[in-house]
Amino acid sequence: EIVLTQSPDFQSVTPKEKVTITCRASQSVGTSLHWYQQKPDQSPKLLIKSASQSFSGVPSRFSGSGSGTDFTLTINSLEAEDAATYYCHQSSGFPITFGQGTRLEIK
Amino acid sequence: EVQLVESGGGLVQPGGFLRLSCAASGFPFSTYWIHWVRQAPGKGLVWVSRINSDGSSTDYADSVRGRFTISRDNAKNTLYLQMNSLRAEDTAVYYCAKGITTRGGFFDYWGQGTLVTVSS
Repeated sequence: EIVLTQSPDFQSVTPKEKVTITCRASQSVGTSLHWYQQKPDQSPKLLIKSASQSFSGVPSRFSGSGSGTDFTLTINSLEAEDAATYYCHQSSGFPITFGQGTRLEIK
Repeated sequence: EVQLVESGGGLVQPGGFLRLSCAASGFPFSTYWIHWVRQAPGKGLVWVSRINSDGSSTDYADSVRGRFTISRDNAKNTLYLQMNSLRAEDTAVYYCAKGITTRGGFFDYWGQGTLVTVSS
């Protein structure tokens, strides 16, 4: 099983700050790595597919990068509405796995 | 507009069974892989199962294999998850999620989820 480890687990940030969340895979997943945002009491929403491709309708402040085992989700100029938990997900190996999540709190 | 609407959750005793449904609309249902993902209260996302476009290929997480069965009715645009021999650790919100046209890939749309509680 491919283990995805996100860091940090929690971050408290101020609006307009730049945020970086990392996801490290226990073995190479190529670019089969995707990012989701989940707000409290809502279902997850796709932000970034295949490591760096923005999903339709996602604000341009969200971007992704990386390949192999190391990936980054960057949020430029954070907004209050970005308070959520963010998950990475790999679809390269079986079973499909998710990272443990990174909760962002807006100060 | 793509919509996925789950139903069928509820309270069930350990050892019991439930059948979840996921009604899809707004896209050619019979073309896509569909997945079930669950989330225990206060915990992260865990993949459960997937089924290919015509229902001929299915996969399961080790934790549910032999107890859960995924199926689909393309004529009704509906996905199912038959859950037998339920355990307390199966307590979670269950989401259906739309995959892509091949095995693997991302989940671009999710339902709102249905809560399954296994407790005596």
